[in-house]
Amino acid sequence: AQSVSQHNHHVILSEAASLELGCNYSYGGTVNLFWYVQYPGQHLQLLLKYFSGDPLVKGIKGFEAEFIKSKFSFNLRKPSVQWSDTAEYFCAVNGRGSTLGRLYFGRGTQLTVWP
Amino acid sequence: GAVVSQHPSWVICKSGTSVKIECRSLDFQATTMFWYRQFPKQSLMLMATSNEGSKATYEQGVEKDKFLINHASLTLSTLTVTSAHPEDSSFYICSARDHGQGGFYEQYFGPGTRLTVT
Repeated sequence: AQSVSQHNHHVILSEAASLELGCNYSYGGTVNLFWYVQYPGQHLQLLLKYFSGDPLVKGIKGFEAEFIKSKFSFNLRKPSVQWSDTAEYFCAVNGRGSTLGRLYFGRGTQLTVWP
Repeated sequence: GAVVSQHPSWVICKSGTSVKIECRSLDFQATTMFWYRQFPKQSLMLMATSNEGSKATYEQGVEKDKFLINHASLTLSTLTVTSAHPEDSSFYICSARDHGQGGFYEQYFGPGTRLTVT
């Protein structure tokens, strides 16, 4: 069955600290991978995506993620977080062979950054 | 980038009434749209997949007679919550899938609709 696991439910960091949010998936086939961010009171926005090619992808606002196929992982990283990064982060996957492109979401990680 | 709008952004209704939520893709045509429900501090739960010109596909446990979905055009899908009850109060989010080639699909999300049933 398809599933996405985000191991950290709530992460609290101080500004300038480094961030890594874990994401593992289970999917029977070739996948596309996504990280979305939801700032307080706002809608989901795409941070970055992996379709193919270089497994290290860079997104907006200094975020990056690395696809490790052997580990079924797509961890999100940022070397130095800012207070404005406080938000909910969702990892998601869909199947490359899916005609609908249905996304499977992880339960989300709440990131709180203290100034 | 592609933009998806939802209307209304916030609605309060009385128990027993029906509420319609619209989802529009503003600058692209979307043959497939998705409706999600999000509870506080939780992830998005897919309710149904809406395909233009055909019946929606509902996820297990979602009452199709209660959550009516219509995808009448390539830019508009509607979700009607019929005979709403307080437990239907939630944040409803739609997304629209682009015309990705070869399975490289991306979804664009609307801003969501906060439904409160009193």
